[in-house]
Amino acid sequence: QLQLQESGPGLVKPSETLSLTCTVSGDSISRSISYWGWIRQPPGKGLEWIGTIYYSGSTYYNPSLKSRVTISVDTSKKQFSLKLSSVTAADTAVYYCARRNVDTAIIDYWGQGTLVTVSS
Amino acid sequence: DIQMTQSPSSLSASVGDRVTITCRASQSISTYLNWYQQKPGKAPKVLIYAASSLQSGVPSRFSGSGSGTDFTLTISSLQPEDFATYYCQQSYSTSWTFGQGTKVEIK
Repeated sequence: QLQLQESGPGLVKPSETLSLTCTVSGDSISRSISYWGWIRQPPGKGLEWIGTIYYSGSTYYNPSLKSRVTISVDTSKKQFSLKLSSVTAADTAVYYCARRNVDTAIIDYWGQGTLVTVSS
Repeated sequence: DIQMTQSPSSLSASVGDRVTITCRASQSISTYLNWYQQKPGKAPKVLIYAASSLQSGVPSRFSGSGSGTDFTLTISSLQPEDFATYYCQQSYSTSWTFGQGTKVEIK
């Protein structure tokens, strides 16, 4: 059973860079069947896709965040990571990592989510 | 970039009611449309994929329909455990765009 787990600081100061890591267990991160992605949800609001990475390193970003986002993958550690620069209070959210099945196009596995608060 | 618009943003209903939620895409996405249910403090889970296919383990009271730009999620007889927020999501493009959500509340 595939499992995803987010990790990283729960508090980030304004203007700094938010960094999160998602560790994948139960299957290989290098399988061609998987796209890996980040999704966030501000308190009381809806889901916002941040970006996606394939095991090969190909990336796709939300145009509204593209200038501030970098997603990378470390297949040896079975991890993929998110960096979001120049954060403001508007970036306060629960951040989820997730897997989209290439064949079914379903986002079928999610991490439990981690709350990141941007505050001084 | 494909935009997804859901309606209504919230609704109140009673147990046993038939509930319908709509989702519109800003361009044709064929049947590349999924529906998710999210309960407070939990990650979303998929209910319907490819517009009308029921995910394994999901009760048959959930159904989906539509193609092109207009889609519908129907709950035929609302149960207490169905009070939650529902999201549509397009899987046509490499982005994972979601609708803004529909919160189903107890009347």
